[in-house]
Amino acid sequence: NAGVMQNPRHLVRRRGQEARLRCSPMKGHSHVYWYRQLPEEGLKFMVYLQKENIIDESGMPKERFSAEFPKEGPSILRIQQVVRGDSAAYFCASSPNRGSDEQYFGPGTRLTVT
Amino acid sequence: AQSVTQLDSQVPVFEEAPVELRCNYSSSVSVYLFWYVQYPNQGLQLLLKYLSGSTLVKGINGFEAEFNKSQTSFHLRKPSVHISDTAEYFCAVSSYNQGGKLIFGQGTELSVKP
Repeated sequence: NAGVMQNPRHLVRRRGQEARLRCSPMKGHSHVYWYRQLPEEGLKFMVYLQKENIIDESGMPKERFSAEFPKEGPSILRIQQVVRGDSAAYFCASSPNRGSDEQYFGPGTRLTVT
Repeated sequence: AQSVTQLDSQVPVFEEAPVELRCNYSSSVSVYLFWYVQYPNQGLQLLLKYLSGSTLVKGINGFEAEFNKSQTSFHLRKPSVHISDTAEYFCAVSSYNQGGKLIFGQGTELSVKP
């Protein structure tokens, strides 16, 4: 039973490029959460998605960031026109139900913007 | 709104000594409480969780935590630490009516020395 998978594990982008981060939840899980861990900071919630729906995006920056979780395929976190301040570790977590008592985390994608 | 405060950013301790990592939270609704561990360059692993019932919760790797509602605390303890416990520890809260998103504390870096 595979856990939460994220790819790529490491991503290097130049300023102004686009970054696409993928998250495949655990089998049977239809709820995905994205978190960001900036250097020297804790983890911050970004967005909560259910299949084909964004449920809560209160933690997403207003510009350049978007997320989707299509009916088929992984959840995608997209960052357009990246800047150095976007350099961080991005984690996704999945759960089987809304408000589940446990989320299972992926290994993260470490984004470096040069 | 919910918030989590981890009172110590760094905790150095000698091997085989006891350790306590402190966590306080604030919330106007009932919450679930969690402790996660993050080893360098890895994702988060759940150590233990409090949902309801007994206030003393036992987790993996010999860790335990006690929920204290009157003090709104959820401190993590281990009677005898090992070098391999060196990692970052995060306290977190969630609630069903917030969709289950996790609100994390800033993290405590536990450093176990021989």
